[in-house]
Formats: sequence, C-alpha cells, structure tokens
Amino acid sequence: DAKTTQPPSMDCAEGRAANLPCNHSTISGNEYVYWYRQIHSQGPQYIIHGLKNNETNEMASLIITEDRKSSTLILPHATLRDTAVYYCIVRVTGTYKYIFGTGTRLKVLA
Amino acid sequence: SAVISQKPSRDICQRGTSLTIQCQVDSQVTMMFWYRQQPGQSLTLIATANQGSEATYESGFVIDKFPISRPNLTFSTLTVSNMSPEDSSIYLCSVGTGPDTQYFGPGTRLTVL
Repeated sequence: DAKTTQPPSMDCAEGRAANLPCNHSTISGNEYVYWYRQIHSQGPQYIIHGLKNNETNEMASLIITEDRKSSTLILPHATLRDTAVYYCIVRVTGTYKYIFGTGTRLKVLA
Repeated sequence: SAVISQKPSRDICQRGTSLTIQCQVDSQVTMMFWYRQQPGQSLTLIATANQGSEATYESGFVIDKFPISRPNLTFSTLTVSNMSPEDSSIYLCSVGTGPDTQYFGPGTRLTVL
C-alpha cells in the first residue's frame, strides 16, 4: 500500500503562500492523492485531490510531479484560519480506504 | 458533499462500561467508515460499515470490542465495549458519496476514567 511522508510542522506568514510538500514514492499509477485538513480536532475537511494533472479549486492548488512521486499543496494567501494539521493521503489500491500519515502542522503567523 | 452528524459529541465514561456512538448522514451513501484518533495522533481506520452485512475490520480491531451496525444507507453505530482508559480517543465516522472523496463527521470525544 502506498504511504505518504510529510514534514511534521511548518510556519507561514499571513497573506503569503503556504506550500506543503508530500512524498508518495510508492504510489501506483491509478491511485489518487488526497489532501485534508483538521482544525482543533474537528473532523477532517476535504481540500482537493488529483491523479496526474495539477488541480485548483476555491481552497487550494495541487501540484503533482510528472513521476507522481511527490506533490505540493498550495494555499495561495494563507490566513490565520488556515492554521491546522494537513494530511496528504493515498487511497488503498482497489478500495475506498484511506491511510492517514502523520500530517503537517501548519501555523500561520500574524 | 454530505452533512454528517454524530451523537454524542463528547462523553466521559467509567472503566468497564460501553458507549454507543451514532452517525447520521443527510443522504444515502454507499460507503461508511469508522476511525479512531488517539490523543495527539493521526487517524486510524477501525472498520468499514457494510449495509446489510457484518462490518469489515482492520488489523488490530475486533468485533467484540467495536461492534458496528449499519441498518440502512444513512445511519451507523459504533459501540466501544468494556472500556479502559486506553480507549480515550476521538471517534469519527466518514462517508463516501462516490468513488473518490470521503467526508468526515465532527467526531465524538471519549474520555474513559
């Protein structure tokens, strides 16, 4: 099963772009990469997902390398409310099950 | 997306007792899952709740300790049985509304004394 590796913590200045990296070197060709965030031990909130191409929605952008072994979540203009733990997830092949890694604790600084 | 509610939102229980957590979704969903998040840790999948059949448990989780029901496509329960302080965690349900994305409930914060 594919696994993900993320830095344990990052800081970002308010108003600047937050770039959160994730390594998934064992990902299979048909496995999507998902990003969620968890604020104050609430339920994880879906952000974005992608397979090969870069994706963008109202919350964030997802950049996936051509070899698909890593990706970066970009929050273009971080606010204090973006302070959270961000999880990069790869779904277990052939199932709908997620395997959560340890995540990155992002702190947005005023 | 789906709107998911859980009851109770939090509880404090005595050792040796059991607690049943409810998960309600505002629409019919195919997939429902239960996760545990121990203090300061990431989420761990407990089981997949299957409608009309027994739940599918992950390694390290057993039916006697975490019995699960799923009587229909909008509702599921997770029971934490014979609790000990090590069961103190946040328990979350999630639903899959399609082949890709899961949406999570707000969680139930359980403290066992």
